[in-house]
Amino acid sequence: DVKVTQSSRYLVKRTGEKVFLECVQDMDHENMFWYRQDPGLGLRLIYFSYDVKMKEKGDIPEGYSVSREKKERFSLILESASTNQTSMYLCASSFDRSGNTIYFGEGSWLTVV
Amino acid sequence: GQNIDQPTEMTATEGAIVQINCTYQTSGFNGLFWYQQHAGEAPTFLSYNVLDGLEEKGRFSSFLSRSKGYSYLLLKELQMKDSASYLCAVRDKGAGGSYIPTFGRGTSLIVHP
Repeated sequence: DVKVTQSSRYLVKRTGEKVFLECVQDMDHENMFWYRQDPGLGLRLIYFSYDVKMKEKGDIPEGYSVSREKKERFSLILESASTNQTSMYLCASSFDRSGNTIYFGEGSWLTVV
Repeated sequence: GQNIDQPTEMTATEGAIVQINCTYQTSGFNGLFWYQQHAGEAPTFLSYNVLDGLEEKGRFSSFLSRSKGYSYLLLKELQMKDSASYLCAVRDKGAGGSYIPTFGRGTSLIVHP
């Protein structure tokens, strides 16, 4: 079975802190994604990566950056956390081929105070 | 990009049938997914359609009409555990050539006795 693992399930951070959310997948998937999910807004794409060291902005990249140094790992970075970044963050991965399912991690609940 | 619409909320009775509709507009359609998400959990894969027609999988079926930009998820013999959010996601090719899924805001289904 595909496994997408997010390192932290629940985090509480202070405004201005630097925050790292880590995601690891074990199926050699080319594509990895970071979404945030907020009530009434659904899942919104922050960044995605289609290969090592490659990244593309999604719909809401402002205030975030990403890193993909190894194929299995995709990190989301909040350089200076703000209260409007309080949200549930979901990592996902897939093969970059037509018809392939997207697999999600369990989610990371981030609260910025 | 895509524009994906689905109803915000639906209610149904245990044992009944419910149909959740999804309409979309996209420039490079490459498949439509349905996911189920229980409160506080990650989305889990239900179905995938890339060709027109009906895909049946147990109590769940999904239909696609590419010419109409329309899909529905049909849930039969509803059970209380089917109370969840149902997410419609459309995948198309991004600027870099990779397959990128975009999600609708989800339909919250409430099943009552």
